[in-house]
Amino acid sequence: DGGITQSPKYLFRKEGQNVTLSCEQNLNHDAMYWYRQDPGQGLRLIYYSQIVNDFQKGDIAEGYSVSREKKESFPLTVTSAQKNPTAFYLCASSMTNSPLHFGNGTRLTVT
Amino acid sequence: AQTVTQSQPEMSVQEAETVTLSCTYDTSESNYYLFWYKQPPSRQMILVIRQEAYKQQNATENRFSVNFQKAAKSFSLKISDSQLGDTAMYFCAFMRGHTGNQFYFGTGTSLTVIP
Repeated sequence: DGGITQSPKYLFRKEGQNVTLSCEQNLNHDAMYWYRQDPGQGLRLIYYSQIVNDFQKGDIAEGYSVSREKKESFPLTVTSAQKNPTAFYLCASSMTNSPLHFGNGTRLTVT
Repeated sequence: AQTVTQSQPEMSVQEAETVTLSCTYDTSESNYYLFWYKQPPSRQMILVIRQEAYKQQNATENRFSVNFQKAAKSFSLKISDSQLGDTAMYFCAFMRGHTGNQFYFGTGTSLTVIP
């Protein structure tokens, strides 16, 4: 079955360390997205990519970086510059003018 | 910029009853899409229903239906015969047409179905 795989489900890191969250899709979707979810704030867009080798900043891109070397993959790196990285991160993909399909999310805890 | 507002942070409904969740949006676009997503405790985001702005007929999916008022920029979700499995966060989302790949979400409504 086609879908979006995020790994790992839970991730723990020490403050000051960079960490990379994985997102892979086999839906053949062109666009991929990263959202951050905090309690009471809904989903906030970090980065999105409409085609390979191209990506755009979302509303809260500071302290994050991405790459899109393959259509299927859109990894997110949370850098040490991100002031408050502990959150739930959702990856999604879509075709043009179609709904978002989401992965199961990664819960990142930084201490 | 597009904004999506869900003014009901929390709601509850008795099992088998009907509940309506509100959503309003602000846009100058004429071509767009609206969605309701459900996020149960598992935190998986599930598409509940979608509505194309150019369609006057309200979308329905089994027990879920919408009341789309384009002039009022309102997009409410009605859940009929509520079931315990409907307990979840519900997010309203807006997507611009043509460019097709920018989504805007409301802050969500937490719905609890009471047995």
